[in-house]
Amino acid sequence: GAVVSQHPSRVICKSGTSVKIECRSLDFQATTMFWYRQFPKKSLMLMATSNEGSKATYEQGVEKDKFLINHASLTLSTLTVTSAHPEDSSFYICSARGRGPHQPQHFGDGTRLSIL
Amino acid sequence: DQQVKQNSPSLSVQEGRISILNCDYTNSMFDYFLWYKKYPAEGPTFLISISSIKDKNEDGRFTVFLNKSAKHLSLHIVPSQPGDSAVYFCAASASRYGGSQGNLIFGKGTKLSVKP
Repeated sequence: GAVVSQHPSRVICKSGTSVKIECRSLDFQATTMFWYRQFPKKSLMLMATSNEGSKATYEQGVEKDKFLINHASLTLSTLTVTSAHPEDSSFYICSARGRGPHQPQHFGDGTRLSIL
Repeated sequence: DQQVKQNSPSLSVQEGRISILNCDYTNSMFDYFLWYKKYPAEGPTFLISISSIKDKNEDGRFTVFLNKSAKHLSLHIVPSQPGDSAVYFCAASASRYGGSQGNLIFGKGTKLSVKP
């Protein structure tokens, strides 16, 4: 099946650090990539949608200056958490979808971000 | 307002028997439904999907049933195996409308335990 690779799987860093997470589709062209955040015992919460070559669309309540998204190619999207603080600690997960209708999203394995 | 609901947080089934996972939705514009399986510390894995023009889709041991009038879908796993033990997420989208309405809306998940 389709493979999406997300790195790193775990990050522990000090408050104020910026952290970049990469999401790659390994065997298909991802015209659209999604970034989610999951809180404990909650469902996946969509943060933003990015289409290759265009600006990301952020969901209500998500700070675009805090969570920078770049989708530079059909196989790579990055999420940068800028000046991270403890409240940004969470599980971040990306997904990618190919071209055409009724294409499922394929997910990476997520990144556990811990800000000290 | 939860548009996709999985009312059973957990389900326990004996190996070899049928597992039935249920999902209800409220948005009549949803036309594409998916089931994902998630193990701890991994991203969701796409299992099976169904579009609103069908009422049943089968793939090996997995069958998804869609009842549009009741706004209800279910995932049947038969026979259940211990390796099926995971959290199962139902998701829906209004894919024909594109844009943000094409994004997936997830339920909160049902934890399936298959006992040997």
